[in-house]
This record gives sequence, C-alpha cells and structure tokens, in this order.
Amino acid sequence: GQNIDQPTEMTATEGAIVQINCTYQTSGFNGLFWYQQHAGEAPTFLSYNVLDGLEEKGRFSSFLSRSKGYSYLLLKELQMKDSASYLCAVLDSNYQLIWGAGTKLIIKP
Amino acid sequence: IAGITQAPTSQILAAGRRMTLRCTQDMRHNAMYWYRQDLGLGLRLIHYSNTAGTTGKGEVPDGYSVSRANTDDFPLTLASAVPSQTSVYFCASSDSTSGSTGELFFGEGSRLTVL
Repeated sequence: GQNIDQPTEMTATEGAIVQINCTYQTSGFNGLFWYQQHAGEAPTFLSYNVLDGLEEKGRFSSFLSRSKGYSYLLLKELQMKDSASYLCAVLDSNYQLIWGAGTKLIIKP
Repeated sequence: IAGITQAPTSQILAAGRRMTLRCTQDMRHNAMYWYRQDLGLGLRLIHYSNTAGTTGKGEVPDGYSVSRANTDDFPLTLASAVPSQTSVYFCASSDSTSGSTGELFFGEGSRLTVL
C-alpha cells in the first residue's frame, strides 16, 4: 500500500530552527508537496520538490531524496505565526496525491 | 470572487437528509477535487474532476456524488447523510496542464455535522 509518515506533533521555540521529516512509500513518484494549515483554516501551498536537493524560499526550505523516499521541511527563525500543521503529500505514478496525516507544530515563546 | 469559494461554511444536518455542498472557482482551473479531513487522518479524496464534463472516484466515494457541468462549479451531494459523514470538507482546484506544478488551491472548508 501507499504510505506517508510524518511526526504527529513537534514543539519548538520562537527564533529557533525546526525540521519536519516526511518519509513515503508510494507507487511511483511525480513530486512532493508541503502545505501549511492553520487551525480552522484551509491548507496553503508551501513548496514543491520533484528533483533531489534543497529548495529554499525565504525562511522555509524543503529537501528531497528520492532514493531514500525522504523529505524534510526546514523552518528558520521561527515565529509564533508558524504554529500550524504541516502536511506532506506525494504525487504518485497515476498523478494522485497521497497525503500524510500532518505534523502539528507548536511554537513556544 | 477571488479564488475558490465554498458554501455553506457550517451546517448541522439530520441523518437521512440530502445535502449539497457548493464549490465555485474563478481561476479557470481545469481540475477540481473534494476532500474530507478528519482528526488524525490525512486529507482523503472523495471525488475529482480533471475537466468539465468528467468526474472520477477518489479514495472514499461511497455516499457522495458530484457533477461538473462547467469549469467553475463542482458541487458535492450527500444523498442520505449518515453520522460517519460528519467531517470538514474541502474543495480544491489546480491547473494540471503542462508546465504547472499542479499545486492545489483550497476553499475555506465546510464543516458538516450529521446527527
């Protein structure tokens, strides 16, 4: 079966750096997405990786290793507004999105 | 309208009743999707449409139906609601044409409670 694993919850301190990991086992691979979802709101797109390596976008970076079935989202200079759930999703060989259950990130002052 | 709009935002419904969740987008995206989101579970795809006039079943289609008469609208109907359909429903759209990353744009969600 297809599976996306990410930690259920993480806690970090304001101003620090946090890395949220995502491992996947899917039928084929056509890209990996990260979305941010604040409580009670809709998910919003953060990043897309299809090739191995690091994609940097401001305070957020996303890394992909296709051979390891692994990605991480790196958040730097954490702010209170970064408290949210972070969803990892993989596009499989049929171009269907497989979603992880999400990682709830709690930022403490 | 800018983006994707869902209605209603919240609804309490008696079991056995029929309910239609509305979704409209103004981005001219070809693909549209309906997901449900339940605590502790990832987003689960109910139905999708790759283009106007076509629809397909997702991971959890039973008890739901959709139609795609035009590009902009993609309503989701629960023919006879059951308590297990209590959930938050998200409509989404994407430009799945060549050259696009295919990122999803989500509506604000419809919180449905079936009693």
